[in-house]
Amino acid sequence: GAVVSQHPSRVICKSGTSVKIECRSLDFQATTMFWYRQFPKQSLMLMATSNEGSKATYEQGVEKDKFLINHASLTLSTLTVTSAHPEDSSFYICSARPSTGDYGYTFGSGTRLTVV
Amino acid sequence: AQSVTQLGSHVSVSEGALVLLRCNYSSSVPPYLFWYVQYPNQGLQLLLKYTTGATLVKGINGFEAEFKKSETSFHLTKPSAHMSDAAEYFCAVISGNTPLVFGKGTRLSVIA
Repeated sequence: GAVVSQHPSRVICKSGTSVKIECRSLDFQATTMFWYRQFPKQSLMLMATSNEGSKATYEQGVEKDKFLINHASLTLSTLTVTSAHPEDSSFYICSARPSTGDYGYTFGSGTRLTVV
Repeated sequence: AQSVTQLGSHVSVSEGALVLLRCNYSSSVPPYLFWYVQYPNQGLQLLLKYTTGATLVKGINGFEAEFKKSETSFHLTKPSAHMSDAAEYFCAVISGNTPLVFGKGTRLSVIA
């Protein structure tokens, strides 16, 4: 089945530094990937839609300059949290949908970001 | 725009009892519906999905859900709860080419 690998699973960084999170589709090609943010005991909030070879589409209220998304290939999307602040601490999850049009979205295992 | 409402942020059942997690959706076009499970500090795992065809959908781990268009519902059930079923469950909907829209989630506790 479709597998999405997300790395790292946990990261602690200092305020002001940048952190990159990778999302890879291992056994299928994904023209579209999605990045979600999840606060404790809450649902997933869509941050942006990442499209291979073009700019990401950000949801209202998400700072595109803070959360940089790059989808350089059909199997890799990256989310970079720039100039991280403690309020950026959260659980980030990526999701990919196979290019074949199957609506079975597959999720990565998530990244727990802690900014100190 | 589509939306999902999950009734009950927390459901508690005894081991061996019926599990019923409720989900109602709103969509202007025929929806595709999903149930996902999330264990602590992990991503989401697809339990089952409805796209077209049979309205009773069977998923993994003994779960099933029935799409009822007249009630705009997609409730998740399991005849007999196991301790390992304790987790957070999310109902989600897409219409057309839109991203998944999630409900707020229901935390299932299973009591021994």
